[in-house]
Amino acid sequence: DVKVTQSSRYLVKRTGEKVFLECVQDMDHENMFWYRQDPGLGLRLIYFSYDVKMKEKGDIPEGYSVSREKKERFSLILESASTNQTSMYLCASSSISPGNSYEQYFGPGTRLTVT
Amino acid sequence: AQSVAQPEDQVNVAEGNPLTVKCTYSVSGNPYLFWYVQYPNRGLQFLLKYITGDNLVKGSYGFEAEFNKSQTSFHLKKPSALVSDSALYFCAVSPYTGGFKTIFGAGTRLFVKA
Repeated sequence: DVKVTQSSRYLVKRTGEKVFLECVQDMDHENMFWYRQDPGLGLRLIYFSYDVKMKEKGDIPEGYSVSREKKERFSLILESASTNQTSMYLCASSSISPGNSYEQYFGPGTRLTVT
Repeated sequence: AQSVAQPEDQVNVAEGNPLTVKCTYSVSGNPYLFWYVQYPNRGLQFLLKYITGDNLVKGSYGFEAEFNKSQTSFHLKKPSALVSDSALYFCAVSPYTGGFKTIFGAGTRLFVKA
């Protein structure tokens, strides 16, 4: 089974802090994603990566950056946390190998609270 | 603009009754269609997908979904609901030419009463 793990389940940070969220997948997937989930808004894509050191902005990249130095690891960075970044953050991965159809596999999520 | 709509925020059904969670989409071409489920305090789990072929696709936990191209809909169904089916359900669409970007609906919360 695909396993996607996230470094923290719950995180509380102060406004202005730099925050690192880590995600690791063990299925050699090419694609990795960061979403935030807010009630009534579904999942919104922050960034995605289709290869090591490659990244693309999603729908709401402002205030975030990402890093993918190794294929299995995709990090989300909040450069200066703000209260409006309080949310559930979900990491996902998917494969583009022949025969796959891009279904995504999700980690358990990190609930971030910025005070 | 490409979009996915789940018109019901919440669906209530009695255990043993059939359930339907609705999804419509606005995406050009022949997209891939997905349903995901999120149980309390857990990440999303892939439930089923439609790529091509038979309009009725079967997935995990007895769920199935019906693709209707003319109505651009992909409704999730189950013949007999269980209390354990209570969860948040997301419809998602991946444009065929994309593969990377998946558009998610806002989610529908399903409550199954015993």
